[in-house]
Amino acid sequence: GQSLEQPSEVTAVEGAIVQINCTYQTSGFYGLSWYQQHDGGAPTFLSYNALDGLEETGRFSSFLSRSDSYGYLLLQELQMKDSASYFCAVRRGNTPLVFGKGTRLSVIA
Amino acid sequence: EAQVTQNPRYLITVTGKKLTVTCSQNMNHEYMSWYRQDPGLGLRQIYYSMNVEVTDKGDVPEGYKVSRKEKRNFPLILESPSPNQTSLYFCASSADRSRGGPNQPQHFGDGTRLSIL
Repeated sequence: GQSLEQPSEVTAVEGAIVQINCTYQTSGFYGLSWYQQHDGGAPTFLSYNALDGLEETGRFSSFLSRSDSYGYLLLQELQMKDSASYFCAVRRGNTPLVFGKGTRLSVIA
Repeated sequence: EAQVTQNPRYLITVTGKKLTVTCSQNMNHEYMSWYRQDPGLGLRQIYYSMNVEVTDKGDVPEGYKVSRKEKRNFPLILESPSPNQTSLYFCASSADRSRGGPNQPQHFGDGTRLSIL
């Protein structure tokens, strides 16, 4: 079987930094992805880590530790538009992505 | 423009009346999949397809059917819908040129909100 655990809700202040953690248990792990979903919208791809370490894309960074079955998404210089749900996802063997239940991020002024 | 197109976007129907939600992608992707999204449960995989004429059950396949006769289309069929299938449905596609290779980002459709009374 497989499972992904991430916090259900996080609140952070505009301009600050927030980290959303994800732990996973799955067989045939290939990599960890992160998706963003605004209310009423479709999930959109943010990042993918196949190897240990930090990947940076603008204000967003994603980290993976395969030995710890753990990753996180780091959002810097938070903006109000970053308020959304964030999902971590893994690919299980040759099947498409399996998603966590999502973390709802609220950015407050 | 690269896109995944679902239809309809919204549908209210009654128990037992067969319905089909269409999904089409124009990116020549091999993988296509269907998810349902319910509050507090995230995205759960219903069915997926790794290529034409190849389909497999996901985590919540009961009450659904799919087909993959052409690469671009992957319809979701509810033969006898029931109220517990009221949900937000997403179709997604991704390219995967080599098994075990890099995970390709999935492209999602805009979603179909189904209400079954």
